[in-house]
Amino acid sequence: ETGVTQSPTHLIKTRGQQVTLRCSSQSGHNTVSWYQQALGQGPQFIFQYYREEENGRGNFPPRFSGLQFPNYSSELNVNALELDDSALYLCASSIPYYNEQFFGPGTRLTVL
Amino acid sequence: SQQGEEDPQALSIQEGENATMNCSYKTSINNLQWYRQNSGRGLVHLILIRSNEREKHSGRLRVTLDTSKKSSSLLITASRAADTASYFCATDSNNNDMRFGAGTRLTVKP
Repeated sequence: ETGVTQSPTHLIKTRGQQVTLRCSSQSGHNTVSWYQQALGQGPQFIFQYYREEENGRGNFPPRFSGLQFPNYSSELNVNALELDDSALYLCASSIPYYNEQFFGPGTRLTVL
Repeated sequence: SQQGEEDPQALSIQEGENATMNCSYKTSINNLQWYRQNSGRGLVHLILIRSNEREKHSGRLRVTLDTSKKSSSLLITASRAADTASYFCATDSNNNDMRFGAGTRLTVKP
């Protein structure tokens, strides 16, 4: 069974640029959630995708957008990057009604 | 916004001692979960307790839930140096988002 993977591991961008982060869900999991974790804080929910549709969204602006593909992998896109977007971005996969989420190792984004 | 608050923010104990971390939350929940994170990496699920449960055990872990006080505690017994990590509680309700607290940083000294 393959776990959740994320790419890239680290990324450095400048303010105003756009970034795409990728996540492959655990085998058999059709739900993917994305989180932003600032240094010293807990993860904050960005959104969730279930069967290629957005299935819940946290308090993040529209410049944070996502996609889920037929194989249940997912992308997080962030436009017009701001310095405060610097964080660890985590994705987690799960199966509906089973609340345990399986997290990937994260992508560390630095915005300069 | 974050739902839960863990207490204490940091905890340092000797190997073999017990570690207790507390979590308080604000709104009604379906479940409460505890996760562990090593050095800013991905989170690992430890245990889930449902809103109609009061106590749950898993190995050296014991979790309690008091929905009237909107609080939970995680007890790690006979701690080991390898338990050094950050521990987060997370709650979920009906809108598909899971809300995490800011975490407790546990250091277990050998």
